[in-house]
Amino acid sequence: GEDVEQSLFLSVREGDSSVINCTYTDSSSTYLYWYKQEPGAGLQLLTYIFSNMDMKQDQRLTVLLNKKDKHLSLRIADTQTGDSAIYFCAESMGGGSYIPTFGRGTSLIVHP
Amino acid sequence: DTAVSQTPKYLVTQMGNDKSIKCEQNLGHDTMYWYKQDSKKFLKIMFSYNNKELIINETVPNRFSPKSPDKAHLNLHINSLELGDSAVYFCASSRTEYNEQFFGPGTRLTVL
Repeated sequence: GEDVEQSLFLSVREGDSSVINCTYTDSSSTYLYWYKQEPGAGLQLLTYIFSNMDMKQDQRLTVLLNKKDKHLSLRIADTQTGDSAIYFCAESMGGGSYIPTFGRGTSLIVHP
Repeated sequence: DTAVSQTPKYLVTQMGNDKSIKCEQNLGHDTMYWYKQDSKKFLKIMFSYNNKELIINETVPNRFSPKSPDKAHLNLHINSLELGDSAVYFCASSRTEYNEQFFGPGTRLTVL
């Protein structure tokens, strides 16, 4: 299987919360990331979490990490149509290998 | 001002041709990267350069040759293009190899 796995699609209604899930296999992952890719654009780092943290909140974004289950989630509160994009989960080991390994991305579709 | 720029944005060419994609960053970063994103959105590192020196070379055919004339530029030259080379190629840069990566907008390469 792949090192980082995500579901491919998520559809939500505007104003609802979105939760995008990700699982990874490398227990030595030190950094876990969420990137956003808008149509025709490159990836933009949204947020990241160290492996010794359980949760990180940044305005409408909440990242939850379950290290035991190797599960990472991104919750977007009050989802807006401008949040429609592809969201990539990624992990890196740090300590000499900071190159992230990416999942295949989850396409978030926000409809009115 | 665009932080990481790539040219061209779109490239359509015949099998067997040789082509180049250019990347420039005006962030003063030391490290630059090339990624390939296939049709299934799978994003994989190809090369990484730090201060004009190659530090990562993943299993990429030797038809792909990166060239870094200076710290601000990392160009990708591809010889004898094949159908399987069709993808979106992203350039990225980071302050050092241990810092957040900033991505360019991508170059969509189509080989006919």
